[in-house]
Amino acid sequence: EAQVTQNPRYLITVTGKKLTVTCSQNMNHEYMSWYRQDPGLGLRQIYYSMNVEVTDKGDVPEGYKVSRKEKRNFPLILESPSPNQTSLYFCASKRGQGSGNTIYFGEGSWLTVV
Amino acid sequence: GIQVEQSPPDLILQEGANSTLRCNFSDSVNNLQWFHQNPWGQLINLFYIPSGTKQNGRLSATTVATERYSLLYISSSQTTDSGVYFCAAALGGANSKLTFGKGITLSVRP
Repeated sequence: EAQVTQNPRYLITVTGKKLTVTCSQNMNHEYMSWYRQDPGLGLRQIYYSMNVEVTDKGDVPEGYKVSRKEKRNFPLILESPSPNQTSLYFCASKRGQGSGNTIYFGEGSWLTVV
Repeated sequence: GIQVEQSPPDLILQEGANSTLRCNFSDSVNNLQWFHQNPWGQLINLFYIPSGTKQNGRLSATTVATERYSLLYISSSQTTDSGVYFCAAALGGANSKLTFGKGITLSVRP
């Protein structure tokens, strides 16, 4: 079954404690991306990657890092989380580059920073 | 960037009723997708439909790319159809960033 898997699904953490949200896809997709969803602001892109070792900033990259060492994995790293990073996070992947083809989303990760 | 607008913002239906959800977008798109976000926050892919018409069970969608709109039809609605429906579009280019509309909140009452 085609899947984008995120972990953890739910997390409460404290300000400043580094955390990583993992993302893995089993569809051999070249393109992967992270979004955050906030009330009144909708979904916004954080970072994206067009292939292994190729990453670039989206609309709201501040406070986040990513890496793409393997095709299937695209972790989101919060080096020093702050309460304004409390959000619902989605990882997404797509075959190929360019905007054609269906984008598949993971189930979401609810992150609360206190 | 591209603008995506959805209407109506809220919709209340009696179970069994039909509905049409609209999405307008401001530019030519290479990707247009409809999603259903369930109460647990999961984004469920409904349709990839940059143009044309597709059907999947009680749901169907039509995109008229030249007129820059897409419609999602829900027939014989069920309570499990409740949730938020998002339309999202992407322009051509290397970054496949989807721009989402604000969503349509659908409540289906038994």
